[in-house]
Amino acid sequence: GENVEQHPSTLSVQEGDSAVIKCTYSDSASNYFPWYKQELGKGPQLIIDIRSNVGEKKDQRIAVTLNKTAKHFSLHITETQPEDSAVYFCAASKLSGAQKLVFGQGTRLTINP
Amino acid sequence: NAGVTQTPKFQVLKTGQSMTLQCAQDMNHNSMYWYRQDPGMGLRLIYYSASEGTTDKGEVPNGYNVSRLNKREFSLRLESAAPSQTSVYFCASSERGPNEKLFFGSGTQLSVL
Repeated sequence: GENVEQHPSTLSVQEGDSAVIKCTYSDSASNYFPWYKQELGKGPQLIIDIRSNVGEKKDQRIAVTLNKTAKHFSLHITETQPEDSAVYFCAASKLSGAQKLVFGQGTRLTINP
Repeated sequence: NAGVTQTPKFQVLKTGQSMTLQCAQDMNHNSMYWYRQDPGMGLRLIYYSASEGTTDKGEVPNGYNVSRLNKREFSLRLESAAPSQTSVYFCASSERGPNEKLFFGSGTQLSVL
């Protein structure tokens, strides 16, 4: 089955700098890669997703890149703000069939003022 | 809209006790899920219900049972709680299947002593 590895487990950046979180997946047939943000005391919320027919997707300060050959994808947050502090999870699955999402271990991002 | 509502928010059990975690969604979603979140292990799927009347095992189903009572409600039961079941439990729903946006509840913090 699918296995998703996420790095780093913790990340601390200065406000205004960029943050990058990386994930690798094992199943070359996976083609759906969402990212979830979990704020303290809340459930995760989808912030962006990418499907394997594109290599990059942007939404304001957030972008996700996908390298299918290397089987890894990354979340990029630019101009970080204090409200970006949270735990971020990547996930992977196949769009067709019954495979459920497999999540990475999570990255705790701290934005220092 | 309330979205996904979980009860209780906190629970302490003794080993061997039983309890049921309740989950309800008001978005008319077909699919519902139960996840557990443990430090360093991300979110792991316990059980999944694609539609009313159907349930399916996830990655870590042992020690749990579920009931899809109707389209809105999906409950998780621990028949004989064990310390290994100490975790944060999240219920989620999606409109159709697992490979689209998941909406999570705010979680139940469960401690088994």
